[in-house]
Amino acid sequence: RKEVEQDPGPFNVPEGATVAFNCTYSNSASQSFFWYRQDCRKEPKLLMSVYSSGNEDGRFTAQLNRASQYISLLIRDSKLSDSATYLCVVDTGRRALTFGSGTRLQVQP
Amino acid sequence: GAGVSQSPSNKVTEKGKDVELRCDPISGHTALYWYRQSLGQGLEFLIYFQGNSAPDKSGLPSDRFSAERTGGSVSTLTIQRTQQEDSAVYLCASRAGTGTDTQYFGPGTRLTVL
Repeated sequence: RKEVEQDPGPFNVPEGATVAFNCTYSNSASQSFFWYRQDCRKEPKLLMSVYSSGNEDGRFTAQLNRASQYISLLIRDSKLSDSATYLCVVDTGRRALTFGSGTRLQVQP
Repeated sequence: GAGVSQSPSNKVTEKGKDVELRCDPISGHTALYWYRQSLGQGLEFLIYFQGNSAPDKSGLPSDRFSAERTGGSVSTLTIQRTQQEDSAVYLCASRAGTGTDTQYFGPGTRLTVL
């Protein structure tokens, strides 16, 4: 079983739609959680950290459920520029971050 | 300020040759990581340097892979006797410390082994 699992997608949604991505992690000792965004043939960039209380950054909302070891990312009012791969990332405190394989989002006009 | 830089951006080599990939982390960042990403795949951890501590090499796929970090700054990843399955994008990242600090990635080196 992978340490971080994501639905690879692709998610094809129209502009303006709301889309949600989910992620599960296997290590209950995981301490920090992030969503990274990766554009085609580019390096990953931090989108947002994920806090237990849930957090919002503009059109993006992240949630963490430690009991279920589940993380989510909600994107409201999707833009064409949101098209990318979204990586769920977990820090167990042991070493480097553990990345999921990513969920691909394609926002269509 | 300057971000993480990597060189070369692209490297094409023949099977069996050795290659060296370079990473310049953000100045002052004590943690440095190497990952690789094969086409359509997630990031695979390779090696981690933290300050003056012994590196965590647990992700290196074989003894053909090695890395060093000189003076706590620049890092070089060396792949000896390259194989076609080594073809991937090799990403370097740095972080100010441990904990919740953000990890910043370089643009990567795209390695193609013919």
